[in-house]
Amino acid sequence: DAMVIQNPRYQVTQFGKPVTLSCSQTLNHNVMYWYQQKSSQAPKLLFHYYDKDFNNEADTPDNFQSRRPNTSFCFLDIRSPGLGDAAMYLCATSRARGGGEQFFGPGTRLTVL
Amino acid sequence: DQQVKQNSPSLSVQEGRISILNCDYTNSMFDYFLWYKKYPAEGPTFLISISSIKDKNEDGRFTVFLNKSAKHLSLHIVPSQPGDSAVYFCAASSGTYKYIFGTGTRLKVLA
Repeated sequence: DAMVIQNPRYQVTQFGKPVTLSCSQTLNHNVMYWYQQKSSQAPKLLFHYYDKDFNNEADTPDNFQSRRPNTSFCFLDIRSPGLGDAAMYLCATSRARGGGEQFFGPGTRLTVL
Repeated sequence: DQQVKQNSPSLSVQEGRISILNCDYTNSMFDYFLWYKKYPAEGPTFLISISSIKDKNEDGRFTVFLNKSAKHLSLHIVPSQPGDSAVYFCAASSGTYKYIFGTGTRLKVLA
């Protein structure tokens, strides 16, 4: 089945220790998104790629970076995680940039000690 | 400022009855709306959508109603089933890449 896969599902890191979250898709979608979701809050868009074109949200901290080496994979790098970065990180894809549904992965729960 | 609001954090409904989940928005530029369903330990799954040129869209037991003048949409589930117990998110877009999500409503369908 075509899907969006996120690894790991649970990630524990120490304060200030860089961490990388991974997302892959078999849907061959052009657009890939990273969302941060904290408890009882709405998913918040961090950035998205349209093909190789990277688009950062204005309020995404510099601490968060992303890479998309090919159509299938996208990575979220948190350079120096703080306690406030503990959250669920959701990767999503869509066929096109405007309108249409997004397909989400199961998420990675990040804990910062 | 939260542009998409789901004011009911939770809702309990008896099996077989109607579930109505509500969503309000403030941005009149939004022209496409989606509902997602989320089970624990899974990502959100697309359920149903509606374009602003319509006021109703139906898919099986799920119907979404859009009232543009009130900036309000609702999701109706009839009849509700225990497997519908999940968190439901509404999301809105103004025809761009960006979807603004609500905070979700946890639906519990009681057997």
